[in-house]
Amino acid sequence: NAGVTQTPKFQVLKTGQSMTLQCAQDMNHNSMYWYRQDPGMGLRLIYYSASEGTTDKGEVPNGYNVSRLNKREFSLRLESAAPSQTSVYFCASSNDLLWASGSYEQFFGPGTRLTVL
Amino acid sequence: TQLLEQSPQFLSIQEGENLTVYCNSSSVFSSLQWYRQEPGEGPVLLVTVVTGGEVKKLKRLTFQFGDARKDSSLHITAAQPGDTGLYLCAGESGAGGGNKLTFGTGTQLKVEL
Repeated sequence: NAGVTQTPKFQVLKTGQSMTLQCAQDMNHNSMYWYRQDPGMGLRLIYYSASEGTTDKGEVPNGYNVSRLNKREFSLRLESAAPSQTSVYFCASSNDLLWASGSYEQFFGPGTRLTVL
Repeated sequence: TQLLEQSPQFLSIQEGENLTVYCNSSSVFSSLQWYRQEPGEGPVLLVTVVTGGEVKKLKRLTFQFGDARKDSSLHITAAQPGDTGLYLCAGESGAGGGNKLTFGTGTQLKVEL
């Protein structure tokens, strides 16, 4: 099992350019998440998806869109990149969104380091 | 917005020393997780604590959940260079928010020989 994979690993954009970050998991998880990580701020949730066909905003959704293409894939799109979106982006998945399930572990991909000039 | 503050933000110690990392919030969480992240990789779960006052041990690491479920601590005994990394706490509210986690600000630990 590859777990959670992300592409690309590195990307440099100019202000105003668009791009899509790809994420896939092979663990048959229902829930998937997109986070950004900035120094001194931990991980902040951008969007999440409880199941195929559903998406919801997290803490910092502005400037981003997502698509849950199928159960395996969850993509993050920047329509018009801004320097404030320079960050490391992590995709994660977990096996159930319902907290009563008793299993909360989130599995993370290796991240995409994005620089917007 | 729920906030989780970690302290210290940075910690540089010698091999063999003990250390404690704190994770504090004014909000109550139904569970608290600790992750470790190494450079160039995503966070990896170390432990989940669920019950107020719960203590869990993972070899030289001891995790405690506060009685009121608002804070947690991670204590490392006899630190080793392999413990170097970014430690993140994450709280889960369970209040209709499902498995969404609120992450702490992180503690960067460096253990030197």
